[in-house]
Amino acid sequence: AQRVTQPEKLLSVFKGAPVELKCNYSYSGSPELFWYVQYSRQRLQLLLRHISRESIKGFTADLNKGETSFHLKKPFAQEEDSAMYYCALRIKAAGNKLTFGGGTRVLVKP
Amino acid sequence: KAGVTQTPRYLIKTRGQQVTLSCSPISGHRSVSWYQQTPGQGLQFLFEYFSETQRNKGNFPGRFSGRQFSNSRSEMNVSTLELGDSALYLCASSLSGGDSPLHFGNGTRLTVT
Repeated sequence: AQRVTQPEKLLSVFKGAPVELKCNYSYSGSPELFWYVQYSRQRLQLLLRHISRESIKGFTADLNKGETSFHLKKPFAQEEDSAMYYCALRIKAAGNKLTFGGGTRVLVKP
Repeated sequence: KAGVTQTPRYLIKTRGQQVTLSCSPISGHRSVSWYQQTPGQGLQFLFEYFSETQRNKGNFPGRFSGRQFSNSRSEMNVSTLELGDSALYLCASSLSGGDSPLHFGNGTRLTVT
């Protein structure tokens, strides 16, 4: 069965510092990978997906199939980036079944 | 466009009771998925409905069931509630499946005493 691991439960960085959230997955096929974000008192929302290869709010993520990783990066963290971040995997044949990692809480200090 | 709406927002039930949660998807969305979120297990997939048919199911006991109506609205039912069923239940809708992104509701927080 597929599995998503986010090794850091909490990341604390200063404003303007780079931030990298790690995500590793286990699946033998070709999955779709996503990052979801939940800001305080807001609903879970899609941040970005690997097939789009786009940068959202300054965040980027590259799928590394060799290392089975999909780390999320931002070169200069902002206070408004403080939130809960979830990495998720979807197998195309499984419709909208997402397998989520445990989440990483990011705290950006002024 | 209105977002995904879940009702009620909060529920308190006692062990052994049953509960029904409701989810209204974004207009035009035909897929509705349900997830359970707990501090210990995180976000876990319950099931997905598409065009009134269950398309996928997670690893939850048969006490957890759902259905989808012709207007795409969905309900989730949990029978014979247990303390461990206390959780935030999230509903998500999408246009179809495949490449369509999921849009989540605010969730229903169920407390079982």
